[in-house]
Amino acid sequence: GNSVTQMEGPVTLSEEAFLTINCTYTATGYPSLFWYVQYPGEGLQLLLKATKADDKGSNKGFEATYRKETTSFHLEKGSVQVSDSAVYFCALRAGGTSYGKLTFGQGTILTVHP
Amino acid sequence: DTAVSQTPKYLVTQMGNDKSIKCEQNLGHDTMYWYKQDSKKFLKIMFSYNNKELIINETVPNRFSPKSPDKAHLNLHINSLELGDSAVYFCASSFAPGQGVRWTEAFFGQGTRLTVV
Repeated sequence: GNSVTQMEGPVTLSEEAFLTINCTYTATGYPSLFWYVQYPGEGLQLLLKATKADDKGSNKGFEATYRKETTSFHLEKGSVQVSDSAVYFCALRAGGTSYGKLTFGQGTILTVHP
Repeated sequence: DTAVSQTPKYLVTQMGNDKSIKCEQNLGHDTMYWYKQDSKKFLKIMFSYNNKELIINETVPNRFSPKSPDKAHLNLHINSLELGDSAVYFCASSFAPGQGVRWTEAFFGQGTRLTVV
């Protein structure tokens, strides 16, 4: 079946540090890939997405590139802020027997200190 | 004008009770989901409906029963609540892809924090 693996957390950074959260996936067919963010006490919001190989998704200074050859979709940001503290989820949607359900990684807790 | 709305946001109840969580979306989507988030933040799908038809039913106790009266609504009823049912439950909706269209994102509600005491 489909699966998503994210780097272990939690991640703690100082403000303006560089962020990378690794994400790799296993899927049949041609999945679409997503990063969702969950701020404390809130629901999940789409952060960015990529629907085909070599696409780059970007939003709010975050970027991720769909790499089919390495089955990866790593999240990066050049300079994090305290307000970026949240839980980040890598996810995919694919067809076949998964019927297009979103399959999530385990989530990475990010804490940014001033 | 909330896209996906769930009620209630918080639910505290005693073991053995029966409770329902309601979900509505105004995005015109044809597919709706229930996800469960445990205390470690892990998200696992429970059910999915496409045009009111159940298409995904993961390994969930049969005390959980979803109902979709129409495309815009998906409710979750839980019988005989147990301590282990305490979690955050998220409703979500999306489009199923059309011919030649890629998989698009799902939109999530704010979640319902269920606490069973």
